[in-house]
Amino acid sequence: GAVVSQHPSWVICKSGTSVKIECRSLDFQATTMFWYRQFPKQSLMLMATSNEGSKATYEQGVEKDKFLINHASLTLSTLTVTSAHPEDSSFYICSAFRLPGPYEQYFGPGTRLTVT
Amino acid sequence: AQKITQTQPGMFVQEKEAVTLDCTYDTSDQSYGLFWYKQPSSGEMIFLIYQGSYDEQNATEGRYSLNFQKARKSANLVISASQLGDSAMYFCAMREHLSGGSYIPTFGRGTSLIVHP
Repeated sequence: GAVVSQHPSWVICKSGTSVKIECRSLDFQATTMFWYRQFPKQSLMLMATSNEGSKATYEQGVEKDKFLINHASLTLSTLTVTSAHPEDSSFYICSAFRLPGPYEQYFGPGTRLTVT
Repeated sequence: AQKITQTQPGMFVQEKEAVTLDCTYDTSDQSYGLFWYKQPSSGEMIFLIYQGSYDEQNATEGRYSLNFQKARKSANLVISASQLGDSAMYFCAMREHLSGGSYIPTFGRGTSLIVHP
């Protein structure tokens, strides 16, 4: 079946540094990928929609300059958390729909970011 | 307004019993999809079941079935013969078909299910 991978699965960084998270669709092309953020015991919050070859569409309240998204190819989208602060610590999950085809949304395993 | 509502923050069920997790949704679209996902403590989102808005029959996948009542805009998940491994967070989600062919998925707040031995 379709698989979406994320790297790294967890990362610890110091405040003020930047962290890049990769999301790859392994056996299908994904023109659109989604980035979510999830706090403990809460739902997934959609941060942005990543479109291959164009600018990402950010949800209201999400800082574009802080969460840089690049969807440079049909199988790779990256999320860069710039100048990270402790409040950016969270679980970040990417996902993709494979179109046309199965209707389920394929999720990556998530990346746990801890900013110290 | 919240598009997906899960009113049960937590549910408990005895092993081998059936349990229903509630989900109601709000959309003005005619074409949409409803999903249920399981998220164990590892964090991975596991797809369980899908129901299209035009599907006349309720979706079933093994021990999972979706009780789809379109007029009431509800899409409850029924887990039969609960197992200890079913203990997890369960999220109901909706995908609306927007103009231009894009899809935006929306998630409910989730229901924490605990299965007792």
